[in-house]
Formats: sequence, C-alpha cells, structure tokens
Amino acid sequence: NAGVTQTPKFRILKIGQSMTLQCTQDMNHNYMYWYRQDPGMGLKLIYYSVGAGITDKGEVPNGYNVSRSTTEDFPLRLELAAPSQTSVYFCASSLAYEQYFGPGTRLTVT
Amino acid sequence: GESVGLHLPTLSVQEGDNSIINCAYSNSASDYFIWYKQESGKGPQFIIDIRSNMDKRQGQRVTVLLNKTVKHLSLQIAATQPGDSAVYFCAEKDQGAQKLVFGQGTRLTINP
Repeated sequence: NAGVTQTPKFRILKIGQSMTLQCTQDMNHNYMYWYRQDPGMGLKLIYYSVGAGITDKGEVPNGYNVSRSTTEDFPLRLELAAPSQTSVYFCASSLAYEQYFGPGTRLTVT
Repeated sequence: GESVGLHLPTLSVQEGDNSIINCAYSNSASDYFIWYKQESGKGPQFIIDIRSNMDKRQGQRVTVLLNKTVKHLSLQIAATQPGDSAVYFCAEKDQGAQKLVFGQGTRLTINP
C-alpha cells in the first residue's frame, strides 16, 4: 500500500490564483481530513469527510473548498489564494480514530 | 473552546536517558488520546494511543500515561536515541466525535 499520497510537494502561488491540492489513499478508509500547519504550530483541521459524498467544516474552513466523489480521493481547493494561506497542508485518512498522514504540500502565496 | 495544550515547548535529553513529554487537556468528555511524532519535513506518524478507560499503555520503548483526575497525559520514551529527535504532538477526541484536536507540540532534542 502507498498509504496517503499528496501532490504537489511544493507550490508557489501568486495572490488571487487558484489551485487544487490532491490527496489519495489506498487503504479504503472512510474518513479523510485536511489540516494546515503553520511554522512551529500544531495541526488545524480545515475540512473532513466521513465518506464519499459527505464533507464537513473543521476549525479553519474559510478560503477553502473540498469534495469527496470517491472513497480514495479528497481534493482541497483554494479559490483566491491569500498570503495567510501560506502553510504546510497535510491530508490524513482513518478507519477509526488513528489517522494516517500524507507527506504534506508546502504552499507559499506571494 | 476547549483545547489540548503542552507544558513545555522544547525538551533536551542525553542519549540513552528516558524522556517524558507532558500534555494537559481541558475537555473532560475526551475519550481517546493519541501521540504523534513528526520529523522535519514529514507528516505526523502514529506512536501510541490510549482510551479513557485505561491509565497506562505500553509500546516498544514508549509508554503513555493518562490521569483523568487532573486531565494530564504523558509520553515516556525509554533509552532515547538520536532518531527520537522530533516534534511530538498529543491529540484528543471528544466522546461521540470523529475529529482529533491537536496540541501545539513539543520539540525533543537528543544530545550525544
């Protein structure tokens, strides 16, 4: 199993640009999550999903959108990038409570 | 809102010594706790977890202790090795919820 994979690894965006961060898991987990991690900080939940077709907001959803059309994929969309969205983004999945994390996407908005 | 926090942001120990990383939580309804290790440039990795009906759980070189009376969680790492250098996060889950709430993390440095 590859586990949780994320693409791209790095990205630089200009203010106002849009992009989609990809996340795929091959463990057949129902639950998937998107977090952001600012330097020296913990993880903050952006959005999560309990299964295909179902998504819900986390702690910091503003400026982001998600979709969950399949069990495997959970893309995160940034519509109008802002400098405050400069962060490292982690995707995770779980069968129960233990979450498995991807390697992260480092995003810089300038 | 209630949150999970850590007593110390940094901890330095000598190689071979035992280390203890502490975590305070305030949500008395939390029923599950978990520790993650995050190495530089990588995603968090699961270390050990514990349910609220337990006081102690042991893994390989790691032990998690839960004191529900004072809402305190600790991670003990025995005989620390250079590879233990990382940031350690505790997280808790509210009863009936699926989401984890993460603390800010403690950076553990192992001195040779």
